[in-house]
Amino acid sequence: NAGVTQTPKFQVLKTGQSMTLQCAQDMNHEYMSWYRQDPGMGLRLIHYSVGAGITDQGEVPNGYNVSRSTTEDFPLRLLSAAPSQTSVYFCASSYGLKHYEQYFGPGTRLTVT
Amino acid sequence: SQELEQSPQSLIVQEGKNLTINCTSSKTLYGLYWYKQKYGEGLIFLMMLQKGGEEKSHEKITAKLDEKKQQSSLHITASQPSHAGIYLCGATTGANSKLTFGKGITLSVRP
Repeated sequence: NAGVTQTPKFQVLKTGQSMTLQCAQDMNHEYMSWYRQDPGMGLRLIHYSVGAGITDQGEVPNGYNVSRSTTEDFPLRLLSAAPSQTSVYFCASSYGLKHYEQYFGPGTRLTVT
Repeated sequence: SQELEQSPQSLIVQEGKNLTINCTSSKTLYGLYWYKQKYGEGLIFLMMLQKGGEEKSHEKITAKLDEKKQQSSLHITASQPSHAGIYLCGATTGANSKLTFGKGITLSVRP
């Protein structure tokens, strides 16, 4: 199993540009989520999905969109990038919410200038 | 919303020394998770605790859950440079609640 994969690993965007961060898992996990990690802030939940076709907002959803058309993929879209979205983004997946460890991808380091 | 406070914020220890770090929740804990992160990498799952008084060990790392205090401690025995990294605790407050994280504790181990 490849586990949770994320692409790209690094990205630089200009303010106002849009892009999609890709996340895929091959473990048949129902639950997938996106976090951002900022210095001194820990990990904050952006969006999550409990299964294909179902998504919901986390703690910091503004400026981001998600969709879940398949069990495997959970892309995160930045609609109009802002410098405040400079961060490291992590995708995670698990069998479910209840007492299951979450498997994390390696992260995408995004810089918005 | 739930808040998780981790202490200390950072820690530097000499190789071979024991250490303990803590994670305290502002709400009743349902599940408590410990993760480790090396700089620039993703999170690696260490342990999950769900019952008061539960204690789990993996190699030289032991985690305990004190349900009354809503707190978990993580103890490392005879620390090694390989233990260096950021330790994050995550917690859920119910069966269907989302996992929220503390800010993490940076551990450095001096050879």
